[in-house]
Amino acid sequence: QKEVEQNSGPLSVPEGAIASLNCTYSDRGSQSFFWYRQYSGKSPELIMSIYSNGDKEDGRFTAQLNKASQYVSLLIRDSQPSDSATYLCAVIKAAGNKLTFGGGTRVLVKP
Amino acid sequence: ETGVTQTPRHLVMGMTNKKSLKCEQHLGHNAMYWYKQSAKKPLELMFVYSLEERVENNSVPSRFSPECPNSSHLFLHLHTLQPEDSALYLCASSQEVGNYGYTFGSGTRLTVV
Repeated sequence: QKEVEQNSGPLSVPEGAIASLNCTYSDRGSQSFFWYRQYSGKSPELIMSIYSNGDKEDGRFTAQLNKASQYVSLLIRDSQPSDSATYLCAVIKAAGNKLTFGGGTRVLVKP
Repeated sequence: ETGVTQTPRHLVMGMTNKKSLKCEQHLGHNAMYWYKQSAKKPLELMFVYSLEERVENNSVPSRFSPECPNSSHLFLHLHTLQPEDSALYLCASSQEVGNYGYTFGSGTRLTVV
């Protein structure tokens, strides 16, 4: 089992709709969870972090964490063509030194 | 300059060459990292440094040699690489090792011929 798993996509979303991305992780002791956005040919950019169960909202982005089920999700409301990118889920294990990444989900927002 | 700066942006090298990648962070962070990003594969952690001390070496071949002379600079020395080492090499930094988000540099696109 991969440490951090994401559906590779592409996830095709009409402009203005909600994009829903999911991520599961294998280490039950994981403490910190992050979503990065990576445009083609660019480096990853941190967009959300979440540390406790529940929802965290930042602008059009909402991160959701469920530690019991070992998943973290990202919702993008009112999707825009500029949201077209690969979204990377990343996890830090308990007492860990490193950020472990999933393979990313490619999102395409169509006008 | 601000953030995390990597040079060069692009590098083409032969298998017998020796080259170095440079990373500099202007964020006052204490931890720095090297990641490798290959096509169709997740980001792979290579090395972790905390206050110039290497705290993790993720089973990386010895043809990759990191150096961290101070908390703001990180190098990756390359020698006798293989074509399969061609990838995007990303440097990142964080406030401390642990539960902090990372800031990435723009990366060095390496091609080994």
